[in-house]
Amino acid sequence: AQTVTQSQPEMSVQEAETVTLSCTYDTSESDYYLFWYKQPPSRQMILVIRQEAYKQQNATENRFSVNFQKAAKSFSLKISDSQLGDAAMYFCAYRKRNTGNQFYFGTGTSLTVIP
Amino acid sequence: NAGVTQTPKFQVLKTGQSMTLQCAQDMNHNSMYWYRQDPGMGLRLIYYSASEGTTDKGEVPNGYNVSRLNKREFSLRLESAAPSQTSVYFCASSEHAANYGYTFGSGTRLTVV
Repeated sequence: AQTVTQSQPEMSVQEAETVTLSCTYDTSESDYYLFWYKQPPSRQMILVIRQEAYKQQNATENRFSVNFQKAAKSFSLKISDSQLGDAAMYFCAYRKRNTGNQFYFGTGTSLTVIP
Repeated sequence: NAGVTQTPKFQVLKTGQSMTLQCAQDMNHNSMYWYRQDPGMGLRLIYYSASEGTTDKGEVPNGYNVSRLNKREFSLRLESAAPSQTSVYFCASSEHAANYGYTFGSGTRLTVV
């Protein structure tokens, strides 16, 4: 069974600084996808960034980037120039390549941004 | 706006009552999902429907039933609510292709007293 582990229940960062959220996963598959979702206090789940396992290049979306280490099964999220609006719960998720398959989510990291 | 619509947003039930959570998407997605979110547990899959006409159990299906009414709609029913079912429920939809993320509804906060 696939598992996704986020070992940091809570993190904090000063506004304008950089923070890295950790995620590890367990799988026997070689082809899969990884995602980071953001859940602000509004409760809405928002896709932040995705990574395809067969691509070696790390995904980047503006101030958000990932460090994907396939051999180590690690998928961390780096937020640069942190803003107050980045304060949220962040979930790491894994999905196999086969169509229709479910996502597996980590337990989340609550990020506080300090003004 | 295109997306996933969940109703209701909030609900309080008494133990033993029944209710149905409604979910509809207008993106022509094939796959739909119901998750529950509990503190410290992340999101756990209750049921999913890979395509119209099919449903499958997820990680925590006990106490729930689902109906994929048509391609757009996927409902979740609690036949006899229990306090352990107090949670936030999310519906999501997705294309078949695994590189697509989910599109989530806004969630339903359910309290069973």
